Amino acid sequence: SQELEQSPQSLIVQEGKNLTINCTSSKTLYGLYWYKQKYGEGLIFLMMLQKGGEEKSHEKITAKLDEKKQQSSLHITASQPSHAGIYLCGADRSLNAGNMLTFGGGTRLMVKP
Amino acid sequence: DTGVSQDPRHKITKRGQNVTFRCDPISEHNRLYWYRQTLGQGPEFLTYFQNEAQLEKSRLLSDRFSAERPKGSFSTLEIQRTEQGDSAMYLCASSSDVAGGQDEQFFGPGTRLTVL
Repeated sequence: SQELEQSPQSLIVQEGKNLTINCTSSKTLYGLYWYKQKYGEGLIFLMMLQKGGEEKSHEKITAKLDEKKQQSSLHITASQPSHAGIYLCGADRSLNAGNMLTFGGGTRLMVKP
Repeated sequence: DTGVSQDPRHKITKRGQNVTFRCDPISEHNRLYWYRQTLGQGPEFLTYFQNEAQLEKSRLLSDRFSAERPKGSFSTLEIQRTEQGDSAMYLCASSSDVAGGQDEQFFGPGTRLTVL
């Protein structure tokens, strides 16, 4: 199975600061997904990256996929308290259809006002 | 459509009892997934349905666990003879199969199980 390591495991930033979360895979990445989770709730889909070098942005969140490094990064610009939560990266376990995801352990983000 | 729904949201049971959870996916989605998440960890894949067919099961899914999706719509996950180690959040997700086989999964709010 695919191992996904996220770093840092937790992060506390001052409101307005930028931050980056990394997700590194021990195996080839076929598709990389970023989700956000509030404590005790379900996962909210943020972005999906499929191709090496792909970069997507939504509001103040940008995600990039480096296929060669088997790594993805999630960057938040000018963080706000609403960005607080747990950020999870997930990866397709195989190239075949099915989309069964393996997840990293999550990065817990706190934004201080 | 209101998204993926799960019922109940919380379940407290005594060790040895059976429990059943229900998931209603987004109506046009033919793929349905069950995951389990313990405190401080990411979700772990349990099983996957394409329409009514259960196509893959994780080794995490012991013989006490059974999942069904009888008509290719809603799904149930049953745990028999619950153990304290079964305490977790059980998440359901759905997606549609598109060309290339990859599409985002939409997650439900989860069912939090506590086994006393």
